[in-house]
Amino acid sequence: NAGVTQTPKFQVLKTGQSMTLQCAQDMNHEYMSWYRQDPGMGLRLIHYSVGAGITDQGEVPNGYNVSRSTTEDFPLRLLSAAPSQTSVYFCASSYQTGQANSPLHFGNGTRLTVT
Amino acid sequence: AQSVTQLDSHVSVSEGTPVLLRCNYSSSYSPSLFWYVQHPNKGLQLLLKYTSAATLVKGINGFEAEFKKSETSFHLTKPSAHMSDAAEYFCVVSEMGNYQLIWGAGTKLIIKP
Repeated sequence: NAGVTQTPKFQVLKTGQSMTLQCAQDMNHEYMSWYRQDPGMGLRLIHYSVGAGITDQGEVPNGYNVSRSTTEDFPLRLLSAAPSQTSVYFCASSYQTGQANSPLHFGNGTRLTVT
Repeated sequence: AQSVTQLDSHVSVSEGTPVLLRCNYSSSYSPSLFWYVQHPNKGLQLLLKYTSAATLVKGINGFEAEFKKSETSFHLTKPSAHMSDAAEYFCVVSEMGNYQLIWGAGTKLIIKP
């Protein structure tokens, strides 16, 4: 089982460029989410989805878009990259969050640098 | 509103000595509580979870945590540290029906030989 797969692992962008971070899971999880991790700040939720066709904003959604056309895929789009978006991005999924028996499964992360 | 406070940004212990990583939370309703671990340059892995069935929760690699409602704490402990425990640890809280998990800022555990 692949679990949660994120691509790419590393990316360098210039300010103003756009790109899509890919996330796929093969566990038939309803819930998927994107986090960014910055030093000393823990993980902050960007966007999440509770099922195909349903998305919602998290704590820090500005500058990012998501869509959920299938249960398996949850891409994150940076519309116009800014240096403040330099971070490590994690995709995570679970059967159903908010319950103790539904822990998150994480991808290995994407390290993004915006110059 | 939910919140999580990890009381120490860094904890340094010698190999073979006990580990204590402290976490306080606030929640309006009965929370679910988790500890996740992140080894250097790796993704995050669930260490243990509070299910409300037992206040003392055992996790992987000899870690355990005790839920104390009166103190709103969920501290993580291990009797004897191992070099492989060096990592960053995150305390996480969620409420039933709330899809947004709240993460602590993390505690970096340093193990001295």
